[in-house]
Amino acid sequence: SQKIEQNSEALNIQEGKTATLTCNYTNYSPAYLQWYRQDPGRGPVFLLLIRENEKEKRKERLKVTFDTTLKQSLFHITASQPADSATYLCAPSRGRLTDKLIFGTGTRLQVFP
Amino acid sequence: DTGVSQNPRHKITKRGQNVTFRCDPISEHNRLYWYRQTLGQGPEFLTYFQNEAQLEKSRLLSDRFSAERPKGSFSTLEIQRTEQGDSAMYLCASSPPGHLNEKLFFGSGTQLSVL
Repeated sequence: SQKIEQNSEALNIQEGKTATLTCNYTNYSPAYLQWYRQDPGRGPVFLLLIRENEKEKRKERLKVTFDTTLKQSLFHITASQPADSATYLCAPSRGRLTDKLIFGTGTRLQVFP
Repeated sequence: DTGVSQNPRHKITKRGQNVTFRCDPISEHNRLYWYRQTLGQGPEFLTYFQNEAQLEKSRLLSDRFSAERPKGSFSTLEIQRTEQGDSAMYLCASSPPGHLNEKLFFGSGTQLSVL
């Protein structure tokens, strides 16, 4: 069955450093992969989408990579700030009509001053 | 710009009672999704509508759960004979016409507590 793995342990980093979060998937061939941010008590918020033919995508301080050979996506936040503290969810998708968006368990990021 | 609206934000009920949640998607978004999320887990897919048609329903969704989207606008999720295991955050999301499953816009959710 399809499996999406994200680091279950919280990632604690110091302000100004680069945070790197990992998303691994098995038994799955996604056409694209999305990353969402979720704050406590709120719904997820879409951040970035990367397609299988794209190796890397950037948006301001965010960078996402997608390696279909390793079946892995990396999510980087450069110059991290305490306001970046949240849970980050990855969601690969094949984008087919019968497909549903499946989320990983998320990784909680804590940026301390 | 009004986002996805969910009501109520919180619901406390006794085991065995029925509850109904409402979701108002972003206008002109033809796709609407319901997810359930428990603490420490990612959102878990429940069901999905395209306009008024319910196109998929998770096998995890027991017969006690039913969702409707009668006019292709707002949607309701009803849980009958609630159980303590139903306690979770119920999230609604919508997405505009275009590629499937891209860029879901989530509401703030309804937190259900079954006592």
